[in-house]
Amino acid sequence: NAGVTQTPKFRVLKTGQSMTLLCAQDMNHEYMYWYRQDPGMGLRLIHYSVGEGTTAKGEVPDGYNVSRLKKQNFLLGLESAAPSQTSVYFCASRLTGFNQPQHFGDGTRLSIL
Amino acid sequence: AQRVTQPEKLLSVFKGAPVELKCNYSYSGSPELFWYVQYSRQRLQLLLRHISRESIKGFTADLNKGETSFHLKKPFAQEEDSAMYYCALAKTSGSRLTFGEGTQLTVNP
Repeated sequence: NAGVTQTPKFRVLKTGQSMTLLCAQDMNHEYMYWYRQDPGMGLRLIHYSVGEGTTAKGEVPDGYNVSRLKKQNFLLGLESAAPSQTSVYFCASRLTGFNQPQHFGDGTRLSIL
Repeated sequence: AQRVTQPEKLLSVFKGAPVELKCNYSYSGSPELFWYVQYSRQRLQLLLRHISRESIKGFTADLNKGETSFHLKKPFAQEEDSAMYYCALAKTSGSRLTFGEGTQLTVNP
């Protein structure tokens, strides 16, 4: 059981470039999430999904898009990267139901120059 | 909207001393509360959740609805407890977590 796997682990982009971060989970979880982690700001939810084919905006969705074409995968896209998007990105997933914890991936360190 | 506040960004204690990481929340309903821990450059891991009333790695947390708090406590801190700790809240049967800003705990030898 790999759990939640994020690729890539590191990436450096130039302003204006695009890229996609991949999150894959093998736990048959319905819910998946993308967060960004910035110093002093905790984790902020970017987008999330409560099932295959569905997505919803979180706290800080601007500049990002997501897709959940398959239950096990949740993709986060940056269409035109900006320096303000330099961050560590975490993916998480969880089962439905009361009090279910979220399981996190290792994170992706993204730098935008 | 719900909110989670961790008033201490940094907390430093000596090995063997008691430690308390504070968490206050605002939410009018019955929340689901969690503590997550992130060791240096590792993924976040669930430490404990209020519904389980468990003790993990010597840590406990009690939900105080009157004070809307969920403080994390350990009677004798160890050096390996040094990490970033996040308190998080979910609305009743909600799908989203709201995280606090985190508290960086350092346990000195």
